[in-house]
Amino acid sequence: GEQVEQRPPHLSVREGDSAVIICTYTDPNSYYFFWYKQEPGAGLQLLMKVFSSTEINEGQGFTVLLNKKDKQLSLNLTAAHPGDSAVYFCAVNPAYQGGRALIFGTGTTVSVSP
Amino acid sequence: DAGVTQTPRHEVAEKGQTIILKCEPVSGHNDLFWYRQTKIQGLELLSYFRSKSLMEDGGAFKDRFKAEMLNSSFSTLKIQPTEPKDSAVYLCASSPDRANTEVFFGKGTRLTVV
Repeated sequence: GEQVEQRPPHLSVREGDSAVIICTYTDPNSYYFFWYKQEPGAGLQLLMKVFSSTEINEGQGFTVLLNKKDKQLSLNLTAAHPGDSAVYFCAVNPAYQGGRALIFGTGTTVSVSP
Repeated sequence: DAGVTQTPRHEVAEKGQTIILKCEPVSGHNDLFWYRQTKIQGLELLSYFRSKSLMEDGGAFKDRFKAEMLNSSFSTLKIQPTEPKDSAVYLCASSPDRANTEVFFGKGTRLTVV
């Protein structure tokens, strides 16, 4: 079945710097991909969803890239600020037709210092 | 519009006790998930329901963990008997669509087993 690896587990950056988190998945048939953000004491909040037909998505302060050839999904925090400090998870939906739960990476703890 | 509601937010149990965690999904959502979150393992699927039918369960959790959907707006997760290694955050989530492109998470229940 699908397996998802996420790296790095921890990331410390200065305010204004960029940070990259990478997830690698194994099933070439996986179709939907997600990035979630979890702040302390809160549930997971959806940041971005990416489908196989989309390669690059830009959000507020971040960019998501899907590389189907290498089976990689990346999240690039551009010009990080302290509000970006959180745990970030990638997730993969392994079934195009539905009927499967999301499979998550192990998370990256991002700390942004002033 | 209420999100996913989990109660209690914190639970302390003695080893061997039975505990029941509760979840109310977003109104109208047909898919409901239970995940266990730990720092080492990340998010692990416990159970996935669609329209109250069990679609998927985490094989490692079958013996002492039982999730049920009593109706479309209420689910419980029973752990019996609890062990210290069950200490974790238990997350409930729901989704309105079959492909699970929008999964909404509750804030979780932090369980400590002593």
